[in-house]
Amino acid sequence: KNQVEQSPQSLIILEGKNCTLQCNYTVSPFSNLRWYKQDTGRGPVSLTIMTFSENTKSNGRYTATLDADTKQSSLHITASQLSDSASYICVVIRQTGANNLFFGTGTRLTVIP
Amino acid sequence: NAGVTQTPKFQVLKTGQSMTLQCAQDMNHNSMYWYRQDPGMGLRLIYYSASEGTTDKGEVPNGYNVSRLNKREFSLRLESAAPSQTSVYFCASSDAANPEAFFGQGTRLTVV
Repeated sequence: KNQVEQSPQSLIILEGKNCTLQCNYTVSPFSNLRWYKQDTGRGPVSLTIMTFSENTKSNGRYTATLDADTKQSSLHITASQLSDSASYICVVIRQTGANNLFFGTGTRLTVIP
Repeated sequence: NAGVTQTPKFQVLKTGQSMTLQCAQDMNHNSMYWYRQDPGMGLRLIYYSASEGTTDKGEVPNGYNVSRLNKREFSLRLESAAPSQTSVYFCASSDAANPEAFFGQGTRLTVV
């Protein structure tokens, strides 16, 4: 069964601190993995994409890692800001099939001053 | 660029009423999707359309119908709304050449 699991479900951190969000998946055959940020009341917006051959990719203060062997990904946020408060959703894309997007339930991050 | 546009943004319905949620994309994408998002749950696929003229059921299609009017537009219809359909609905589009999904801003629907 194709599944995407994220942890933790929610997280509260102080402004300026770092944090790491986890994503484990069983989707096969794997094409790529994306992390989305969803602000309250808005649609998800793509942060970064990881393909099978990529281990690490950065987008500003966001760094995503992928271990395709263990089927795990992480999103590390450095020097958090209040504007980082949002839900972060891991989406795994399968190579085949018209319906090829599989969503995690997300991690709700709250950054407090 | 407008991207994916959904209307309306908010809607309150009485049980048994019908309504259509509209979605349009201007990126010339082949695939379009309708999702619902409920507290504590991930985005769940209601229906999708891999190309103009085709539609397929997703994970939670009961109580909904869709129409892929043309390549740009994909509408979601509730024929007889039920309180269990209270949710936030998102439309998305993607293309095989670049399978990133682009999302609309969402429609918050309350059925009383």
